[in-house]
Amino acid sequence: GEDVEQSLFLSVREGDSSVINCTYTDSSSTYLYWYKQEPGAGLQLLTYIFSNMDMKQDQRLTVLLNKKDKHLSLRIADTQTGDSAIYFCAERKRTGGSYIPTFGRGTSLIVHP
Amino acid sequence: DAGVIQSPRHEVTEMGQEVTLRCKPISGHNSLFWYRQTMMRGLELLIYFNNNVPIDDSGMPEDRFSAKMPNASFSTLKIQPSEPRDSAVYFCASSQDGDNEQFFGPGTRLTVL
Repeated sequence: GEDVEQSLFLSVREGDSSVINCTYTDSSSTYLYWYKQEPGAGLQLLTYIFSNMDMKQDQRLTVLLNKKDKHLSLRIADTQTGDSAIYFCAERKRTGGSYIPTFGRGTSLIVHP
Repeated sequence: DAGVIQSPRHEVTEMGQEVTLRCKPISGHNSLFWYRQTMMRGLELLIYFNNNVPIDDSGMPEDRFSAKMPNASFSTLKIQPSEPRDSAVYFCASSQDGDNEQFFGPGTRLTVL
């Protein structure tokens, strides 16, 4: 199986909350990230959370971390059409002797009026 | 800073031709990553460099793919010979040390006919 798993699609109505879920494999990961990819562009870091935290809030974004279940979620409050994008979960993982982010396949968030 | 620069932005070529993708990382960053993104396979890490040295190339699909980083400000990804299944968006990203925030370029959309 893949290291980082996410559902591929999520559709929400404008103004509702969106919750994007992710599971990861390495319980020793110290950082977990959410990246956003807008159409036709590269990925951009949206937010991150240290593994010693349960929650991080940043304006409309809330990140929840359940280390026991290796589950990460991103909640977007009052979702807007501009939030339509692909959201990637990533865990900091040892690869080739170094620690680098390992990305999931991404969740396409579709916001409709 | 102009961010990560990739060229060309679009490339259309015929099967069997050599393709060279180019990347200029952000000045001062010492880690560089090449990714491939397709609908079927999502975002795949192909290879990453640290201080111009390839650290992990286990994601390179086959011998037709090669990557170089002759200096801190330039990297190439070459496909020779190209095949239709290589059609994808190829991203370059850089970071200050491997496990910090990655900054992605706009990508090169490759179409192999």
